Amino acid sequence: DGGITQSPKYLFRKEGQNVTLSCEQNLNHDAMYWYRQDPGQGLRLIYYSQIVNDFQKGDIAEGYSVSREKKESFPLTVTSAQKNPTAFYLCASQPTGVREKLFFGSGTQLSVL
Amino acid sequence: GDSVTQMEGPVTLSEEAFLTINCTYTATGYPSLFWYVQYPGEGLQLLLKATKADDKGSNKGFEATYRKETTSFHLEKGSVQVSDSAVYFCALSDSSASKIIFGSGTRLSIRP
Repeated sequence: DGGITQSPKYLFRKEGQNVTLSCEQNLNHDAMYWYRQDPGQGLRLIYYSQIVNDFQKGDIAEGYSVSREKKESFPLTVTSAQKNPTAFYLCASQPTGVREKLFFGSGTQLSVL
Repeated sequence: GDSVTQMEGPVTLSEEAFLTINCTYTATGYPSLFWYVQYPGEGLQLLLKATKADDKGSNKGFEATYRKETTSFHLEKGSVQVSDSAVYFCALSDSSASKIIFGSGTRLSIRP
């Protein structure tokens, strides 16, 4: 089945540790996005990528990093510089060039130990 | 910049009640408008969309009409069910379609 897969579903981070959230899609979409969702709040854009080897900062990029070495993959690293990382992280993909919908993964809940 | 404002929740209704969730937007150009729904512990799913003024999106009994004159895209359903309990997000795609901007979400709870 085609889709977008996030892993792990739950992740725990120790103080000073970097952690990486995985996002893989087999939909052949060019564009991919990372959003952060805090309880009772909307989605805030962290990073997005319109094409392989290119990505742009979103509204809250500080403390995060990404790579886009393959079309199918858009991992997000939450660095130790992100002082409040506890949140629900959502990855999404989108066909490029048209105003199409986003396809979302099922999310990763990151918590600090 | 572009933005989306939707009514704050939570919204609690009885089963079979009429639902309206307000959404207004600010955008340059001519965005596409969306409603997404999120069930507990899951990602978002597209509920409906409209790509130009006066378009009506509809799905699963939900409807929303793209009103350019009032910059609105209110979500409506004539008779809600318990299974409609979820968080609903209004969103727009900016003119360059480079990213989608979301509202803050409205939590809907339906009582049996």
